[in-house]
Amino acid sequence: KNEVEQSPQNLTAQEGEFITINCSYSVGISALHWLQQHPGGGIVSLFMLSSGKKKHGRLIATINIQEKHSSLHITASHPRDSAVYICAVSNMEYGNKLVFGAGTILRVKS
Amino acid sequence: SQTIHQWPATLVQPVGSPLSLECTVEGTSNPNLYWYRQAAGRGLQLLFYSVGIGQISSEVPQNLSASRPQDRQFILSSKKLLLSDSGFYLCAWSSGFGNEQYFGPGTRLTVT
Repeated sequence: KNEVEQSPQNLTAQEGEFITINCSYSVGISALHWLQQHPGGGIVSLFMLSSGKKKHGRLIATINIQEKHSSLHITASHPRDSAVYICAVSNMEYGNKLVFGAGTILRVKS
Repeated sequence: SQTIHQWPATLVQPVGSPLSLECTVEGTSNPNLYWYRQAAGRGLQLLFYSVGIGQISSEVPQNLSASRPQDRQFILSSKKLLLSDSGFYLCAWSSGFGNEQYFGPGTRLTVT
């Protein structure tokens, strides 16, 4: 079993839809990261959170430490949101190095 | 502000040839530096990290090596490439373990 599991693996949505990507982890963490990888390969850090909720524009990230679960929400999705979204955790058992999920491939159609 | 550079952007090399990928960071001092590989259709895999000049930790056994000759320079090398070394190589930096990581643009390596 992977230490970081994401679902779904692939997601296709229509422009304007509300999107949720889920991340579950099985190890102790100091923080959880959401990253966005564009089709060209570049990776951008979206959020780093250790509790509660963070919002940036149309993106919202939440984390439930007790349930070891995080969600990334995109409101009013747009084709430019099409990317791979990666969940990663800073794993205390491994000296706080990042452990990555496999990613969720999101495609938003116009 | 901090920036991170990688080169080359793309590389096609024959099996058995050497490799040298370079990563430099600007605008910060004593960063943690990381090399990741992303094989086609796979997640990110940490290859090496460094907490200081000359300090390299390897995460997975392989025919690659890393060096940090200067505070803000991180080099990934191989003496003889294998087909399985093909992938997308990303360099990243952070101000410490567990902190936000900032990624370079990556190098796409194809070994033929």
